Amino acid sequence: KNQVEQSPQSLIILEGKNCTLQCNYTVSPFSNLRWYKQDTGRGPVSLTIMTFSENTKSNGRYTATLDADTKQSSLHITASQLSDSASYICVVTSYSGAGSYQLTFGKGTKLSVIP
Amino acid sequence: GAGVSQSPSNKVTEKGKDVELRCDPISGHTALYWYRQRLGQGLEFLIYFQGNSAPDKSGLPSDRFSAERTGESVSTLTIQRTQQEDSAVYLCASSQVARTNYEQYFGPGTRLTVT
Repeated sequence: KNQVEQSPQSLIILEGKNCTLQCNYTVSPFSNLRWYKQDTGRGPVSLTIMTFSENTKSNGRYTATLDADTKQSSLHITASQLSDSASYICVVTSYSGAGSYQLTFGKGTKLSVIP
Repeated sequence: GAGVSQSPSNKVTEKGKDVELRCDPISGHTALYWYRQRLGQGLEFLIYFQGNSAPDKSGLPSDRFSAERTGESVSTLTIQRTQQEDSAVYLCASSQVARTNYEQYFGPGTRLTVT
């Protein structure tokens, strides 16, 4: 069964500090991994997407890493801002051919950035 | 341009009543998804429409749930004889399915409360 596990479930950090969120997956066949940011009361917004051959990708202060061998990904947030307070969701796509996709969502990490 | 829109934003209904939730995808997007997000939980896939192909209904939790989409336009998710366990945020997303690295754009969701 395809699964995506995220840790920690929740995290509180001081404004300006860095943090790292983890995502472990057991999804096969792997196609890509995406990190989403979901603000309270809003739909998720894509931050990064990585395929099998990519091991790091940045989007401003967000840097995602992917280790396809250990099936782990991390999202590092640098110099956090109050606006980073949100849930961060890891999503892994599997593609089994003939246009058949499956998305497996993690439960998310709820990040709170405090002044 | 306009993003994915959903209506209503909030819906309170009595147990046993039927509800209809609407999703307007981004113009030109051939793929449309419905997800359910219970409080504190990850997104659960419900149903997927791709162009004129038969929809993937594998995520629908029971026969009380159904969805329709006319062509590549509006979709309606219907829940019959609502139960309290149906209380959740229902999210719709659309995408252009050209390759496996397609981008899903999410709407703001409809918060359904069954009393």
